[in-house]
Amino acid sequence: DAGVTQSPTHLIKTRGQQVTLRCSPISGHKSVSWYQQVLGQGPQFIFQYYEKEERGRGNFPDRFSARQFPNYSSELNVNALLLGDSALYLCASSIGTSRANQPQHFGDGTRLSIL
Amino acid sequence: GDSVTQMEGPVTLSEEAFLTINCTYTATGYPSLFWYVQYPGEGLQLLLKATKADDKGSNKGFEATYRKETTSFHLEKGSVQVSDSAVYFCALSSNSGYSTLTFGKGTMLLVSP
Repeated sequence: DAGVTQSPTHLIKTRGQQVTLRCSPISGHKSVSWYQQVLGQGPQFIFQYYEKEERGRGNFPDRFSARQFPNYSSELNVNALLLGDSALYLCASSIGTSRANQPQHFGDGTRLSIL
Repeated sequence: GDSVTQMEGPVTLSEEAFLTINCTYTATGYPSLFWYVQYPGEGLQLLLKATKADDKGSNKGFEATYRKETTSFHLEKGSVQVSDSAVYFCALSSNSGYSTLTFGKGTMLLVSP
C-alpha cells in the first residue's frame, strides 16, 4: 500500500510569494496533520484536519492556511513568505482524531527554501 | 503546555555498543508516547509507541518503557548497527487534544564500524 505522499519534493520561492503544498494520506485514513520542521529542530504542529474540518491549529500566523478535500487529500498554503518559513513541511495521516494513541504516519516532506 | 525534553546529541557509538537516549515529558493527563526515527533526506518513521503507564514499546531491537512516576520514556537498544545512524525524536500525544504530536528536538545517533 502507498504511504503518505507529498508534492513537490523541493521548492524554491522568494520573499513575499505564496506557496501551496499538497498531501495524499494513506488509503483509509481520514485525518491529515501538517508540521513544520526547521533545520536541527523537532517538527512543530501547524494544522490538523478531519473529515474536511479543521480540528486543531498550532501557534502559527494567519499567513498559514489549509484545507482538506472530499478524498481526504490536503493542501497547505502559505502567503507572504518570509525567510523564516524555510523548512521541511511534513504531512502526516492517521485513521481519525478520536484517540490520542493512534499513530501518525509521515510523508517524506516538502523542502521549502525562501531566497 | 505539553513539552518533551531529549538528551542533546550527537551520540557517537561503535557498532554493537549499548544505546540509551533519554526522554522526559511534561503533559496533562495521560499522554501516549512515541519514538520516531528520521533518516537523512526522509520523513519520520514510527519506531515504537506506548499508550499507558508501564507499557513497553519495542521494534527492531529498540525498546522504551512508559514510566509515569519519572515522566520518562527512554529509548534503548542492546547492540547498535551502522544502519541505526539517524535522528531519533521522542514525542507525545495528549489525550486531551486531537492526537497531535509534541516533539522533542531530536537526538542524532552516529554509529561507526
